[in-house]
Amino acid sequence: DIQMTQSPSTLSASVGDRVTITCRASQSISSWLAWYQQNPGKAPKLLIYKASTLESGVPSRFSGSGSGTEFTLTISSLQPDDFATYYCQHYNSCSTFGQGTKVEIK
Amino acid sequence: EVQLVESGGGLVQPGGSLRLSCAASGFTFSSYWMHWVRQAPGKGLVWVSRINTDGSSTNYADSVKGRFTISRDNAKNTLYLQMNSLRAEDTAVYYCASDIVGVFLFDYWGQGTLVTVSS
Repeated sequence: DIQMTQSPSTLSASVGDRVTITCRASQSISSWLAWYQQNPGKAPKLLIYKASTLESGVPSRFSGSGSGTEFTLTISSLQPDDFATYYCQHYNSCSTFGQGTKVEIK
Repeated sequence: EVQLVESGGGLVQPGGSLRLSCAASGFTFSSYWMHWVRQAPGKGLVWVSRINTDGSSTNYADSVKGRFTISRDNAKNTLYLQMNSLRAEDTAVYYCASDIVGVFLFDYWGQGTLVTVSS
């Protein structure tokens, strides 16, 4: 089974900061990688799929990159609504989530 | 507006049963694969089960295989999860999620329903 590992587990940042989260797959997954945002007490929300394609309606400050085994989610200028937990997910023939990265206020 | 509304959660004793429902609106339900994803308290997301558009094909995580059954009623725009032989480790918020292509990419999510398995 493919394992997904995110780093860091927690990230402290301020409004306006540039933030990067990394997701590594235990074997190559091509570009079958999605990112979700989950605010406290809320359902997850799809942000990015196919490693770098922004879901409709998602602000352009979010971007994704990578292929194979290493992927990144970047938030170019952190906004108050962005303090949340982010999950990467390998999808296609199965679903495996990373353990999550909590972005908290510094 | 797309809406997925789960119901049916609650407190159940170990070994008991529950049936979750997910009412869909705002999109062509019968064209979407549907999934259940769960999240134990303070933990991450775990895929549970998948059903294809007409209900003829289903898949399950190993942890629930043989105990949970996913089904759908396209006439009622509703997804179900029958959960039997419940264990403490099944305690979680259960989300239904839609997937237009059937590749485990979850484009819309419900708000979740909490299932607590405890004596």
